[in-house]
Amino acid sequence: AQSVTQLDSHVSVSEGTPVLLRCNYSSSYSPSLFWYVQHPNKGLQLLLKYTSAATLVKGINGFEAEFKKSETSFHLTKPSAHMSDAAEYFCVVSLYNQGGKLIFGQGTELSVKP
Amino acid sequence: EAEVAQSPRYKITEKSQAVAFWCDPISGHATLYWYRQILGQGPELLVQFQDESVVDDSQLPKDRFSAERLKGVDSTLKIQPAELGDSAMYLCASSLAGDRSTDTQYFGPGTRLTVL
Repeated sequence: AQSVTQLDSHVSVSEGTPVLLRCNYSSSYSPSLFWYVQHPNKGLQLLLKYTSAATLVKGINGFEAEFKKSETSFHLTKPSAHMSDAAEYFCVVSLYNQGGKLIFGQGTELSVKP
Repeated sequence: EAEVAQSPRYKITEKSQAVAFWCDPISGHATLYWYRQILGQGPELLVQFQDESVVDDSQLPKDRFSAERLKGVDSTLKIQPAELGDSAMYLCASSLAGDRSTDTQYFGPGTRLTVL
């Protein structure tokens, strides 16, 4: 079965310091992986996606993620956190054999301290 | 930039009442999804439409939930009767084709339902 596990339910960083949100996946197929961000009481916005092209994927707002097959990981990083980055982040896998059905991780809440 | 529209944004109802949510996907998107997101969790798919046809409703509680997309454009999700456990955010998403794992789903702002 395909699934994702977000290793931290909450991450707190100071403004201007690096961000690391960890995600491991389980998939029998070459997966498509996504990171979405959700601000309070808002819908989800796509940050970036991996679809078996370049393993280092650049997204919006300075975020990037690296697909590492040997580690079954797809961690999200940003060199310098901004106050506006405070939100909930979801790592998502798309099911190859079920027409693109998305399976979401439990989410990581990112707090940014001034 | 085109967006997925949802209404209402917030809905408060009493248990045993009927509620309905509306979604208008991005123009030209063939696939439409309804998700339920319980507080503190990731969204879970309730139903997926390809044009006007349901392709996956395996997680839809069919005794009380119904969904339709009659003309293959906008969609309505209904709950009758509402129960306390239905309190959640209901998200609508759309994608261009939807039958490939590489497709991007675009989400609306959601409807926050509170059942008293």
